[in-house]
Amino acid sequence: EAGVAQSPRYKIIEKRQSVAFWCNPISGHATLYWYQQILGQGPKLLIQFQNNGVVDDSQLPKDRFSAERLKGVDSTLKIQPAKLEDSAVYLCASSLGGAGTEKLFFGSGTQLSVL
Amino acid sequence: LAKTTQPISMDSYEGQEVNITCSHNNIATNDYITWYQQFPSQGPRFIIQGYKTKVTNEVASLFIPADRKSSTLSLPRVSLSDTAVYYCLVGDTGRRALTFGSGTRLQVQP
Repeated sequence: EAGVAQSPRYKIIEKRQSVAFWCNPISGHATLYWYQQILGQGPKLLIQFQNNGVVDDSQLPKDRFSAERLKGVDSTLKIQPAKLEDSAVYLCASSLGGAGTEKLFFGSGTQLSVL
Repeated sequence: LAKTTQPISMDSYEGQEVNITCSHNNIATNDYITWYQQFPSQGPRFIIQGYKTKVTNEVASLFIPADRKSSTLSLPRVSLSDTAVYYCLVGDTGRRALTFGSGTRLQVQP
């Protein structure tokens, strides 16, 4: 079974530039999550989709971050403009249903460095 | 959401049993306890989940006392490859995603 695919694996940009990350969840998984993981910390939920609707985006900095889930499958997360403090690993995860206790399957993440 | 407290780090040697305890004093009746493992440069991976008493799978055991205010993840006979960060999460079957804390960094030495 294919896992959660993310690209790119690494990205280096300068502050005030824009960047986009892509995620393809496991086939058939209804729920997709984007997490931000700063070095030394646990993952922090940015946004949760169920199918193509947003369940929770309370921690998404909406002045610079945006996300969409195309036709309830793939998803993109965009940062525009980037700040130095956005340097982190951006993890995408998916789960079969939408219950909070469901097993999450994570991708390997995109490591973003903002210079 | 119930807050969890775990040790920041633990050290062990190969072949030993490792027990990582998580405190969750304000766990709710409908909350489950879930543990994830994260290796460097990878996303977290589900290890085990339980509600009460004991749960065992091929990777670990999870012990939950009757009052459910804490839980212990037990890794039998660890190897170098068990070096990772272990996260304890508590939450219910509602739609809200579980919250990750800072986890416990386990270092296994030869």
